Amino acid sequence: DTEVTQTPKHLVMGMTNKKSLKCEQHMGHRAMYWYKQKAKKPPELMFVYSYEKLSINESVPSRFSPECPNSSLLNLHLHALQPEDSALYLCASSQTADRNLYEQYFGPGTRLTVT
Amino acid sequence: GQQVMQIPQYQHVQEGEDFTTYCNSSTTLSNIQWYKQRPGGHPVFLIQLVKSGEVKKQKRLTFQFGEAKKNSSLHITATQTTDVGTYFCAVKGGGGATNKLIFGTGTLLAVQP
Repeated sequence: DTEVTQTPKHLVMGMTNKKSLKCEQHMGHRAMYWYKQKAKKPPELMFVYSYEKLSINESVPSRFSPECPNSSLLNLHLHALQPEDSALYLCASSQTADRNLYEQYFGPGTRLTVT
Repeated sequence: GQQVMQIPQYQHVQEGEDFTTYCNSSTTLSNIQWYKQRPGGHPVFLIQLVKSGEVKKQKRLTFQFGEAKKNSSLHITATQTTDVGTYFCAVKGGGGATNKLIFGTGTLLAVQP
């Protein structure tokens, strides 16, 4: 199974709402990633989890809060977002992130609209 | 921060024509990956190049890593409508204990039947 799943596919939320994005992989990968992608732009890294520990935070605003409950799951908690946070949020996983550079497997993404 | 530029930004071809996208870095790279993202889809890994001057082929796709390991190219022979999408190169970024990918600016390929 080389699939990364993400829920929900689409999400519309107001600026005062709290919501969560979920990501799951069953490939035994020990590195998981959150990316943000705006239209016609490349994916932009937000967070990296390595062996369930947060290893990289690319200076992401605190209204985005990642969580890695176990090696298969990755969440992104959203609170008090701004309209400019509307984007496609992609989750990815790879074998590891601490030695060789491995291919990343991406989920289908969550299309987020903040109203 | 580290920037990886791709040219062209956009290319429109007739089906059957060839297509090439170039990826350029200001720094020497340890390796480079290529991804394809279909419209409305997510990035899908195509290949990784590691050695200077390396050339790899996947059916109609030819990937090349420059001798100085500062650039790479992806060439598609006889494009088909299924080749439509954005092609990204991606390089290892950071320098800390954890690897991360920095994506190039991407080349959007449109193929007219």
